[in-house]
Amino acid sequence: EVLLVESGGGLVQPGGSLRLSCAASGFSFSTYTMNWVRQAPGKGLEWLSYISGRGYTIYYADSVKGRFTISRDNGKNSLSLQMNSLRVEDTAIYYCVRDGYNLGIDFWGQGTLVTVSS
Amino acid sequence: QSVLTQPPSASGAPGQRVTISCSGSSSNIGSNYVHWYQQLPGAAPKLLVYRDDQRPSGVPDRFSGSKSGSSASLAISGLRTEDEADYHCAAWEDSLKGWVFGGGTKLTVL
Repeated sequence: EVLLVESGGGLVQPGGSLRLSCAASGFSFSTYTMNWVRQAPGKGLEWLSYISGRGYTIYYADSVKGRFTISRDNGKNSLSLQMNSLRVEDTAIYYCVRDGYNLGIDFWGQGTLVTVSS
Repeated sequence: QSVLTQPPSASGAPGQRVTISCSGSSSNIGSNYVHWYQQLPGAAPKLLVYRDDQRPSGVPDRFSGSKSGSSASLAISGLRTEDEADYHCAAWEDSLKGWVFGGGTKLTVL
């Protein structure tokens, strides 16, 4: 069974930093591209970042480019998102998701809530 | 403002058929597969339809997807109360090199 479990969310002040982690299990982690997607309260889904299986190819949405950094540790089956210079508008549930390429984003974690507020 | 355009809401009575549209452009839906997700209240999204019209195992055949040009649709027949959820479309965006989503459609079963 594919499992994606996020952690690291919480309350942070504007301008602060937070690091999200995602523990993956039930599949060959290193062979899959992974992404982070978020959902602000009452809003739609927003893709944030993409990292290929070996980590050589990385993409970011313009809204987080230069502030967020995606990384992975295939030895630990782990995905991370380092978030710096956080803004109020970054408040959202953050999902770790598996990229099935032409199969779409085929598995989602349960999400972790990040609240940016003073 | 989402890259893909969906109606914010849809509704139907139990047993009826409802269709949700998703409009994009040549750089996303027009050149890549469309995928649909169901998000039950308080839960994470779940893959409902992939590659325009394919269903993962376990998804009832009441759910069907289609695509024409730069637009796609999700049809739900034989509506049930448990189908009340938000439905999101998604596609890879070639110019952005990332996934783009619709704003989501909230389905109400009257």
